[in-house]
Amino acid sequence: SQQGEEDPQALSIQEGENATMNCSYKTSINNLQWYRQNSGRGLVHLILIRSNEREKHSGRLRVTLDTSKKSSSLLITASRAADTASYFCATLSGGTDKLIFGTGTRLQVFP
Amino acid sequence: EAQVTQNPRYLITVTGKKLTVTCSQNMNHEYMSWYRQDPGLGLRQIYYSMNVEVTDKGDVPEGYKVSRKEKRNFPLILESPSPNQTSLYFCASSIGPTGELFFGEGSRLTVL
Repeated sequence: SQQGEEDPQALSIQEGENATMNCSYKTSINNLQWYRQNSGRGLVHLILIRSNEREKHSGRLRVTLDTSKKSSSLLITASRAADTASYFCATLSGGTDKLIFGTGTRLQVFP
Repeated sequence: EAQVTQNPRYLITVTGKKLTVTCSQNMNHEYMSWYRQDPGLGLRQIYYSMNVEVTDKGDVPEGYKVSRKEKRNFPLILESPSPNQTSLYFCASSIGPTGELFFGEGSRLTVL
């Protein structure tokens, strides 16, 4: 079952621009996490936001969570070519032990 | 160095030939999980384990088996692989189901 759905599916920007990716989910959650995947490699954890938090920052990353709209956004500021990767949201539903991933947003940052 | 190690990284096999993909973590994590990644479908959970001798089905467990006899190891077993199990497989571990997942580098399996 697909819990998180990212939007857009693909995003192309120039270096220095900001990149915004969105994630929508269906059921109540305990937390929401964002991961990054370089082509064909293992996923790397970026940031976790709990259901009682509305915003969180980590370096050039800013994550927001709106539980009333069941959505989250990941903002990467001042993007770099090295940010080129796929980004996934993952949600942990209340009452379960399963972390469910979305289908991801492919970000391409051109130098 | 904290890591999750999967083997083999690449494998081509034929239908029906049993195979095992090993997964080992050195972080003393209690939670371990297997995922498969297919184009357009994202990551789907196959099986997970909350601790030694405790395993449970994920969303796509059919055709797979797992075991958790030791805390560090969580092998994925394909008793009779079929072409629809051709995929990229990831093992991951965490201190618990709510925490940050650490992923292996992936195992690309092709079943002919």
